[in-house]
Amino acid sequence: DGGITQSPKYLFRKEGQNVTLSCEQNLNHDAMYWYRQDPGQGLRLIYYSQIVNDFQKGDIAEGYSVSREKKESFPLTVTSAQKNPTAFYLCASQGAANSPLHFGNGTRLTVT
Amino acid sequence: AQSVTQLGSHVSVSEGALVLLRCNYSSSVPPYLFWYVQYPNQGLQLLLKYTTGATLVKGINGFEAEFKKSETSFHLTKPSAHMSDAAEYFCAVSDRDFGNEKLTFGTGTRLTIIP
Repeated sequence: DGGITQSPKYLFRKEGQNVTLSCEQNLNHDAMYWYRQDPGQGLRLIYYSQIVNDFQKGDIAEGYSVSREKKESFPLTVTSAQKNPTAFYLCASQGAANSPLHFGNGTRLTVT
Repeated sequence: AQSVTQLGSHVSVSEGALVLLRCNYSSSVPPYLFWYVQYPNQGLQLLLKYTTGATLVKGINGFEAEFKKSETSFHLTKPSAHMSDAAEYFCAVSDRDFGNEKLTFGTGTRLTIIP
């Protein structure tokens, strides 16, 4: 089955540590996105990539970094510079322009 | 800049009753509009979308939404609620000039179904 896989589902880290969230898709989609979801705030765009080796900052990119070395993969690193990293993180991909996003099942990150 | 307002962060309806979730948007150009549903600890799933043409859009699970340009609204309805409809619902708008990378989400409405 084609889809998007995010791993792990739950992640716990100590404050001050960097952590990388995995996102893999086998839909052959060019575009991929990372969103952060907090209660009562909806989804906010962190980074997006429309093609391999290229990515752009979204609305809340500070404290995050990404890479897009392969079409299938778009990992997100939450750095120690992110002041409030505890959240639910969603990865999505998109085929043709203006087609709907396909979402993974998310990673819940807890930093203490 | 485009924006989305979902009126009511929590909505409760009885099983079998009408479901109405409200969404208003602002956009400088004719928008693409979407409704997504999210079940607990899962990603979002597309319910329906409006791009062009007929303003009444039918989606999955018996949901539909009507694009009303004069009211800048895209409310989601379902004639008869089912227990399985309990979830969080997100309205989203996309600027036609940029495609989905400029997707803006509302803050969500949590739908509870009362048996």
